[in-house]
Order: sequence, then C-alpha cells, then structure tokens
Amino acid sequence: AQTVTQSQPEMSVQEAETVTLSCTYDTSENNYYLFWYKQPPSRQMILVIRQEAYKQQNATENRFSVNFQKAAKSFSLKISDSQLGDTAMYFCAFMKRMFNFGNEKLTFGTGTRLTIIP
Amino acid sequence: GAVVSQHPSRVICKSGTSVKIECRSLDFQATTMFWYRQFPKQSLMLMATSNEGSKATYEQGVEKDKFLINHASLTLSTLTVTSAHPEDSSFYICSASPLLSGGAVETQYFGPGTRLLVL
Repeated sequence: AQTVTQSQPEMSVQEAETVTLSCTYDTSENNYYLFWYKQPPSRQMILVIRQEAYKQQNATENRFSVNFQKAAKSFSLKISDSQLGDTAMYFCAFMKRMFNFGNEKLTFGTGTRLTIIP
Repeated sequence: GAVVSQHPSRVICKSGTSVKIECRSLDFQATTMFWYRQFPKQSLMLMATSNEGSKATYEQGVEKDKFLINHASLTLSTLTVTSAHPEDSSFYICSASPLLSGGAVETQYFGPGTRLLVL
C-alpha cells in the first residue's frame, strides 16, 4: 500500500513571494504518477501539475514547478510569484501507473492550507 | 482539460429519504469513475470505484447497501444515498480518467462536488 505525507498543515506567504509545499510518499512501485491538486474555497479539485515517475525532468506549469526526488521519495511543489488566487488547500497524490484497464486509485496526503497574504 | 460535471451541486433532504447524485464525463469516456467523501478541513476519502457494466468496488467500512452506485454508461455514474440520515451529511465528489490508447490512464479529473445536508 502507498502512503502520502504532507507535513505542513498550514502555510502563509506574502503575495508575489515564492513558497514551497512539501510531500513525501512511500511505495514499492516503480511506475507511478504524482500529482498536486488545488482545492480553493469553492471546493472544486483542480489539477495543478503531474509528474511521471519514469521521467527525471521536473514538471513545470507556468508558475508551478516540482522538485521530484525519486530515490528520496520526495515531491515538493514550488509556487513562484504567488497570487491571491493561489489561496487554497493543496493535496499531494499518488497513483500507480496502470498499463491496462484497472482501478487507478489516487492516494492523497492530508493537505496543506496555503494562504496568500495581500 | 477533461471536464467532469456533478448534479446537483447541493441538496437538502429529510431524514429517511434517498438522494441521487449524478457524475458525468462531458468530453471523454471513462470505464472507471470514483466516488469520494470529504469532511470539513479533511482530505478526500475514497468510498468506491465505479466500473461501467459491472458492480462497484467499495472501500472497507463503506456500506454498499447504503451507498448504491450505478455506472450505466461510459459517461455516467450515479451515487444514491439510501435512507439518508444526518450523519450522511457531507461533501461528495466524483472523479474520472480519460482513457488513452491502449487502455492506459494518466490523470483523474474531478467533478465540482455535491453538498448534501440531511435534516
């Protein structure tokens, strides 16, 4: 079974600054995906970024980037030039890579509540 | 990105009644959809995996007779909370994954959620 740990329940940062959210995971799988999802006050889960474990290059999406350390089983999210709209709950998640039809369950961390201060 | 809808967005019902929540993948087909429950300020708790054309797979501790799941087509899954009670009040979220060629899946997309209040 997989576990995902987010050790920072809450964080806050000034607008325009950079913030890093940490995530560690434990698995015996070699092929998997890692995700960061954002849940703003509307409670809609929004995909922020995805990383394939077989890729060494860190994923980036505009102001969002990850630091993926496979050996250390670490997957942190960096938000650059933070904006007020980034205020949300952020969940780190793990999904085993399925090559055929199957139950591709997501395992979530407990979340980090991020507040961007004006 | 792929779009998943849920209906209704919120529902208030009396204790003892049944409530049906629909989850639709709008621009892709999904053989598998997932149902989650989320309590305030907590993470998502997987309730069950909905498989098109077959029975749902429930997580340990989730009552299958209480939470009926039907996956009637490749774009629709429904969750029915039967004989709802106040303790069933919660936020229910579904997700689905677009199928890639070869049957692989890479990403889950979530519906906007349904807020259920049982009086």
